Amino acid sequence: DTEVTQTPKHLVMGMTNKKSLKCEQHMGHRAMYWYKQKAKKPPELMFVYSYEKLSINESVPSRFSPECPNSSLLNLHLHALQPEDSALYLCASSEGTSFYEQYFGPGTRLTVT
Amino acid sequence: AQRVTQPEKLLSVFKGAPVELKCNYSYSGSPELFWYVQYSRQRLQLLLRHISRESIKGFTADLNKGETSFHLKKPFAQEEDSAMYYCANWVNSKLTFGKGITLSVRP
Repeated sequence: DTEVTQTPKHLVMGMTNKKSLKCEQHMGHRAMYWYKQKAKKPPELMFVYSYEKLSINESVPSRFSPECPNSSLLNLHLHALQPEDSALYLCASSEGTSFYEQYFGPGTRLTVT
Repeated sequence: AQRVTQPEKLLSVFKGAPVELKCNYSYSGSPELFWYVQYSRQRLQLLLRHISRESIKGFTADLNKGETSFHLKKPFAQEEDSAMYYCANWVNSKLTFGKGITLSVRP
């Protein structure tokens, strides 16, 4: 399996809801990433996990809470989001946190109402 | 800040025409540079990385340290090359993308 999968594909949530995004890879990669991508803009890094430990947090608001339960799974827990958080959320993985190729998932399209 | 710059937002060419997508970087050391591509309704994927010096789908990119550039080139564009192209660099354990350029290849 050489793909990164993400669920759900689409998510609509209210500002008081709690939801989670899920990302999975079975390539044995030890680094996993969350990016946020607004329309017509490049992906912006949010979090990096290396060997299941959070190594980089790009000053992301606490309403976004990442979790790496094991080496294959990465979650992003969402709570009390704002409409401006509506975006495509991309997960990626790579062999390590050096300049390896990053493999991207298809993304979750999040709409906050 | 160490970044990559893609000065153009859109390039539109006819099929068979040469293509050059520009990327400039600001980094005093040895940069780690990449080109990623996003076709319509497909996921972002790696196209080229400068250390591999290979040609993928007819595209090449040469690192020019004198001009601090890493332009993506293809001698004869195909319609299936239409996509969004991002130049990216690896600095401080992070992949940072340029703003991207849309390539449109007309029949």
